Amino acid sequence: GEDVEQSLFLSVREGDSSVINCTYTDSSSTYLYWYKQEPGAGLQLLTYIFSNMDMKQDQRLTVLLNKKDKHLSLRIADTQTGDSAIYFCAEMNESQGNLIFGKGTKLSVKP
Amino acid sequence: NAGVTQTPKFQVLKTGQSMTLQCAQDMNHEYMSWYRQDPGMGLRLIHYSVGAGITDQGEVPNGYNVSRSTTEDFPLRLLSAAPSQTSVYFCASSYASGSGEQYFGPGTRLTVT
Repeated sequence: GEDVEQSLFLSVREGDSSVINCTYTDSSSTYLYWYKQEPGAGLQLLTYIFSNMDMKQDQRLTVLLNKKDKHLSLRIADTQTGDSAIYFCAEMNESQGNLIFGKGTKLSVKP
Repeated sequence: NAGVTQTPKFQVLKTGQSMTLQCAQDMNHEYMSWYRQDPGMGLRLIHYSVGAGITDQGEVPNGYNVSRSTTEDFPLRLLSAAPSQTSVYFCASSYASGSGEQYFGPGTRLTVT
């Protein structure tokens, strides 16, 4: 079945780059997603990448996709304390039409 | 637009009690879903609906019922609460099934004693 794996924790210093990694299993996923959850709030869509792309850049965010290895990463440049949150990788279950989320990576940014 | 709203924000139940978690959206979205979030488990899909009158089970449906009589509302009912249902519950919506752009509510934190 489908599964999405992420490491649970990442700690960086303010101003450094953060890289959050994810592996997925469903090679038929058309899009792959990154969601952000701030403390005490629901999830918000951060960015997504179409499966036929290798890279997508959006201001401080860079998404890299390696389809061969089913590996997705999210890079946050110049990480700020406001970036502290849980980041979820997700793929679409094409047959049911719903998202399958990883367990989330908690990013802690130290001043 | 208010987006996706959920009530209550917090709830404490005793084992065996029943209750309904409310979810509403004002974006005319067809697809709505309920997730539970537990530490170390991520988000797990409980039930979902692809439109009014249509619901289906997700990964962890046992102990929960849903109905979708209108496009706007998608309540989640706990029939007989158990401590294992202590969790944070999120409702989400998107314009259609298969859309990865989901809008989440703020969550309901439920404790069952």
